Amino acid sequence: NAGVMQNPRHLVRRRGQEARLRCSPMKGHSHVYWYRQLPEEGLKFMVYLQKENIIDESGMPKERFSAEFPKEGPSILRIQQVVRGDSAAYFCASSPRQQGVTTEQYFGPGTRLTVT
Amino acid sequence: GESVGLHLPTLSVQEGDNSIINCAYSNSASDYFIWYKQESGKGPQFIIDIRSNMDKRQGQRVTVLLNKTVKHLSLQIAATQPGDSAVYFCAENKAGRRALTFGSGTRLQVQP
Repeated sequence: NAGVMQNPRHLVRRRGQEARLRCSPMKGHSHVYWYRQLPEEGLKFMVYLQKENIIDESGMPKERFSAEFPKEGPSILRIQQVVRGDSAAYFCASSPRQQGVTTEQYFGPGTRLTVT
Repeated sequence: GESVGLHLPTLSVQEGDNSIINCAYSNSASDYFIWYKQESGKGPQFIIDIRSNMDKRQGQRVTVLLNKTVKHLSLQIAATQPGDSAVYFCAENKAGRRALTFGSGTRLQVQP
């Protein structure tokens, strides 16, 4: 049973370019979360999605950042016109659908974005 | 605002000793807590969780204690091994939300 998969594992972009990060949740999981981690810090929540729906985007910057989880295919975190401050590790997590009960989130290996 | 914080940034223990990692939280509405282990270059790995209606939960070599009166969470690792060396994060979840709020982490170093 494969875990959460993320690609690419490492991504280098020049300032002003676009970054696209992909996440495939664990089999059977329909909830996806994106977190950002700066060096030596904890993870910061960005967005929570279900298939074709953004449920909670309270942690997403208002500009340049967007996320989607289409009916088919992986979840995508998109960062437009990247700046050096976007350099971080971006982690995706998934959890199974479970009505009314919070369950553990399983994390992928992360994508390390470096903006030069 | 809500926050989850850790008392000690680095904890060094001898192999075979027990380790205790502490975490304080400020959001009394939190009803679910998780401990994660993160090794260098990897994603957080689930260790154990506990709901607010419990005081204690045990897993394999790990125990989580929850004191809601003082908003304190701890992770106890029995017979610590070199493979336990990592950064440990506590995370909490507020009722009605799925987003996890993470603490800043404690680095556990196991000395042989």
